[in-house]
Amino acid sequence: QVQLVESGGGVVQPGRSLRLSCAASGFTFGHHGMHWVRQAPGKGLEWVAVIWFDGGRKYYADSVKGRFSISRDNSKNTLDLQMYSLRAEDTAVYYCAREARHCSDVGCSIYYYYMDVWGKGTTVTVSS
Amino acid sequence: DVQMTQSPSSLSASVGDRVTITCRASQNVSRYLNWYQQKPGKAPKFLIYAASSLQSGVPARFSGSGSETDFSLTISDLQPEDFATYYCQQSYDTPSFGQGTKLEIK
Repeated sequence: QVQLVESGGGVVQPGRSLRLSCAASGFTFGHHGMHWVRQAPGKGLEWVAVIWFDGGRKYYADSVKGRFSISRDNSKNTLDLQMYSLRAEDTAVYYCAREARHCSDVGCSIYYYYMDVWGKGTTVTVSS
Repeated sequence: DVQMTQSPSSLSASVGDRVTITCRASQNVSRYLNWYQQKPGKAPKFLIYAASSLQSGVPARFSGSGSETDFSLTISDLQPEDFATYYCQQSYDTPSFGQGTKLEIK
C-alpha cells in the first residue's frame, strides 16, 4: 500500500544539525513532488519545503530558508530534510507528504495540487 | 505570501448537527484550496481539493465551497468520528495553512 515513513528525529542542541528521511513505498515516487510539513507542540500545521518530482526545483518557508535543505533520491525512493543551525522554535513533529494533482478539464489547462498521503511523522526536539 | 485565516478557532457541536467552518485567503487563490482533518496524535488526512471536490473515500456529508478569497467546509449530520481539527490550505502559491478549527463534542 501507499506509505511514507519518516525517520531521523531526536533531541538536538540549539545550533546543531539533524537530517530527516522519508521512505516512500507503494507508488512511483519519481512521479510526485514531495513536501515537508511540521507541527509544533499544540500548534497548527506549518509548511516547510517542497521539491519537484525530479528535484529540479525546491522552495522553502521563510522561517527555514538558508538553514534547511530538501533533497530526494528517486532511485532509492527517499526524501530528505537536512536541518542546520537548529533553534528551539524548530521543535515539532515533521511530516513528509506526497503531492498529487488533479487535472481540471479535458485539456488539462489547470492542475489542482494537494497533499494526499502523509507519513506518521518524526519528532524533533531542539533543547539544551 | 498568502495568509489563510480560519474561523472559528473552535466549535462545539452535537452528533447529528450541521457545522460550517470558514477560511479566508489574504489574496485571490481562485479555487486552489484544500481541506484536511487531523485527530490528536495522528497525521493529517486529506479531504477536499479544488475547494469543493471530495477525495475518494471521504463521506458525502463533507462538502466544500467558495472561490477567490472566501471558502467554507460544511459537515452535515456530524458523526462521532468527525470531531477533530480541520485545516484549510492554499496551493495557489507556496503552500500555507489556516491556523485550524477544533471541532469538539458539545
